[in-house]
Amino acid sequence: DVKVTQSSRYLVKRTGEKVFLECVQDMDHENMFWYRQDPGLGLRLIYFSYDVKMKEKGDIPEGYSVSREKKERFSLILESASTNQTSMYLCASRSDPIGAFFGQGTRLTVV
Amino acid sequence: GQQLNQSPQSMFIQEGEDVSMNCTSSSIFNTWLWYKQDPGEGPVLLIALYKAGELTSNGRLTAQFGITRKDSFLNISASIPSDVGIYFCAGADRGSTLGRLYFGRGTQLTVWP
Repeated sequence: DVKVTQSSRYLVKRTGEKVFLECVQDMDHENMFWYRQDPGLGLRLIYFSYDVKMKEKGDIPEGYSVSREKKERFSLILESASTNQTSMYLCASRSDPIGAFFGQGTRLTVV
Repeated sequence: GQQLNQSPQSMFIQEGEDVSMNCTSSSIFNTWLWYKQDPGEGPVLLIALYKAGELTSNGRLTAQFGITRKDSFLNISASIPSDVGIYFCAGADRGSTLGRLYFGRGTQLTVWP
């Protein structure tokens, strides 16, 4: 079974903190993605990566950065957390043409 | 980015009823996917479609890849309470967008016993 593992299910951080969300996949997939999910807004793509050290902005990259130093790991970084970044964050991986597999999600609260 | 219109936004049905939802795109896709998300969890892939006109089943679920390649449909027959969740469609344009998927906003399904 494909496994995509996110480092935390729940996180509470303070405004201004630097936050790291980690994601690891075990299926040697080329593509990895970070989404955020808010009620009524669906899944919005923050960043994605199609190869090691390669990254592309998604639809809402502002306030975020990413790192992909190894194929299996894709990190999302909130440089200075703000309350409007309180959300559910979902990591996914895939190899074209199959569908993406998602992690269990990280619910981040910024206070 | 490309826009996927998924409808309906929500459905409230009685156990045993059939459910239909659909997704349309402004662009052609060559892969259509359907996901289900349970509360507090990540989405899980239900059905993948790779060819225009393709009809694929997974238990009580049936999905179709529209012949125009701009739409897809998901049907659930004889719904049960555990069908509750959010259903997402997703499309991919193989080879030209670096593996990106485009998602609809989801259909929230509620099943009354």
